Amino acid sequence: TQLLEQSPQFLSIQEGENLTVYCNSSSVFSSLQWYRQEPGEGPVLLVTVVTGGEVKKLKRLTFQFGDARKDSSLHITAAQPGDTGLYLCAGAGGTSYGKLTFGQGTILTVHP
Amino acid sequence: EAGVAQSPRYKIIEKRQSVAFWCNPISGHATLYWYQQILGQGPKLLIQFQNNGVVDDSQLPKDRFSAERLKGVDSTLKIQPAKLEDSAVYLCASSLQMTYYNEQFFGPGTRLTVL
Repeated sequence: TQLLEQSPQFLSIQEGENLTVYCNSSSVFSSLQWYRQEPGEGPVLLVTVVTGGEVKKLKRLTFQFGDARKDSSLHITAAQPGDTGLYLCAGAGGTSYGKLTFGQGTILTVHP
Repeated sequence: EAGVAQSPRYKIIEKRQSVAFWCNPISGHATLYWYQQILGQGPKLLIQFQNNGVVDDSQLPKDRFSAERLKGVDSTLKIQPAKLEDSAVYLCASSLQMTYYNEQFFGPGTRLTVL
């Protein structure tokens, strides 16, 4: 069974601070995705990383895939209240082709 | 482009009752997924369809849950009889194909409360 562990589980910060969310596994994934979910809505895809060591930037968000394709991180610079939500990492491929394995999520609250 | 549609958005039932959820995926998406998301947790895959065939239902509690995708488009998920621990959000997602980068698009979910 492939498992993804996210940390921290909760994060409460002030507007303008930086933060990093981690996603770790003992399994290798073909790709790693990050989703953001707001209350009452389904998750929305932010980014997909597919190459070990890959770094992708999306405005103030930076995503990194570990060299061994077992871990990933999401870094947010100068967080804003609009960044508040549940952040989920999800691994695809490996031993579960075509299926996503989700982490338990990180609840981020950014206070104005 | 219309997104994934789900109905109803909310459902409250008593334990041992039956309930059904409906999902209409994005047009042209061959792969459809049903997830269960318990409050404070990540989504857990219940069943995955490729067109109208089941690819993975290893985590579907088959004694009470059933799902079908007739004609390879819409899908329904049924629970009969419901238990208290079935209280969760049921998410439907679709993707164009089953690939290793597997980008999925989610509906808004159905929030089920079992009393």
